[in-house]
Amino acid sequence: AQSVSQHNHHVILSEAASLELGCNYSYGGTVNLFWYVQYPGQHLQLLLKYFSEDPLVKGIKGFEAEFIKSKFSFNLRKPSVQWSDTAEYFCAVNPSGGSYIPTFGRGTSLIVHP
Amino acid sequence: NAGVTQTPKFQVLKTGQSMTLQCAQDMNHNSMYWYRQDPGMGLRLIYYSASEGTTDKGEVPNGYNVSRLNKREFSLRLESAAPSQTSVYFCASTRRRQGGSGYTFGSGTRLTVV
Repeated sequence: AQSVSQHNHHVILSEAASLELGCNYSYGGTVNLFWYVQYPGQHLQLLLKYFSEDPLVKGIKGFEAEFIKSKFSFNLRKPSVQWSDTAEYFCAVNPSGGSYIPTFGRGTSLIVHP
Repeated sequence: NAGVTQTPKFQVLKTGQSMTLQCAQDMNHNSMYWYRQDPGMGLRLIYYSASEGTTDKGEVPNGYNVSRLNKREFSLRLESAAPSQTSVYFCASTRRRQGGSGYTFGSGTRLTVV
């Protein structure tokens, strides 16, 4: 079975700072990878996804993530965060093909101070 | 386009009471899921339905039952609520085996069991 590890549980940044949230997974085969965002009091929304194309994936709101297969990583980045990026971020992975049951990481809470 | 609709949004139950959480999607998705979200635990899968007519246990199924009423609707039932079931519950759906869109989540049900 696959597993996902998000190393940063809480991140606090000032506006305009750069962001990188770590995500590592364990699974021996081909995977699909996702980042979801949950704004305060809201449901999860898909931020970006990787499905075996270019390992550098561009998402909404200026976010991007890089899939490094050799490191089993899919880190989320943004060059300059805004106060409105305050949210919880979840990494998810599921094996390609077969039953579509992704496994979620425990989440990273990001607080951006204005 | 409503996406995934969950009802109710909030509920308070006494220990031992029963209730059903409703979920409906209008995107013609094949697969539907119930997750619970607890602080520091991320999202944990309770039950899922890969297609109409099938249901399977997830990571934390004890104390819950589900019904895939038709392709659109997937309900979660608590037969005898316990304080440990205090949580936020999310329903999600996706196209099975397409793997192209990730999950679409409902807005959640915040349940408190006293």
